[in-house]
Amino acid sequence: GENVEQHPSTLSVQEGDSAVIKCTYSDSASNYFPWYKQELGKRPQLIIDIRSNVGEKKDQRIAVTLNKTAKHFSLHITETQPEDSAVYFCAARSVTALIFGKGTTLSVSS
Amino acid sequence: SQTIHQWPATLVQPVGSPLSLECTVEGTSNPNLYWYRQAAGRGLQLLFYSVGIGQISSEVPQNLSASRPQDRQFILSSKKLLLSDSGFYLCAWDLGGPLGYTFGSGTRLTVV
Repeated sequence: GENVEQHPSTLSVQEGDSAVIKCTYSDSASNYFPWYKQELGKRPQLIIDIRSNVGEKKDQRIAVTLNKTAKHFSLHITETQPEDSAVYFCAARSVTALIFGKGTTLSVSS
Repeated sequence: SQTIHQWPATLVQPVGSPLSLECTVEGTSNPNLYWYRQAAGRGLQLLFYSVGIGQISSEVPQNLSASRPQDRQFILSSKKLLLSDSGFYLCAWDLGGPLGYTFGSGTRLTVV
């Protein structure tokens, strides 16, 4: 089955800096890669996603890149703000369900 | 529009007691339904998923079970809770394919 590795587990940046979170997946049949943001005590919320026929996708300060050959994908947040502080999860989907990475705790200090 | 309801929001149960968590989806038909568990400071672990009434796939063998008695209802149960069952339980739904989930608001279960 699918296995998703996510790094780093924690990330601290200064406000205005960029943050990058990286994930690798094992199942070459996976074709959908979403990113979720989870604030403390709340449900995960989808922030951006990418399908296997696309290499990059942007939405304002957030971008995701996908390298199918290397089986890795990354989340890029530019001009970070304190409200970006949260836990971020990557996930990969092949046939059945989304398999999630273990999460990255992002802390943005002002 | 589609909505997902999950209850209760919090639950404190003694070791050895039974468990029943319920999740319902409104505004859609034949959704895929999922149960995940998030232990403190940990990732999202897939427990069960269902693609239709009475169809349950288990991802992790443990003392939990799931049932789908109706198209938009998904229930997570246990006959006897363990301390290790404590965590944040999330229900989710989608319509399959390359799409993301919508999660319920979660149930925080503490087994004491």
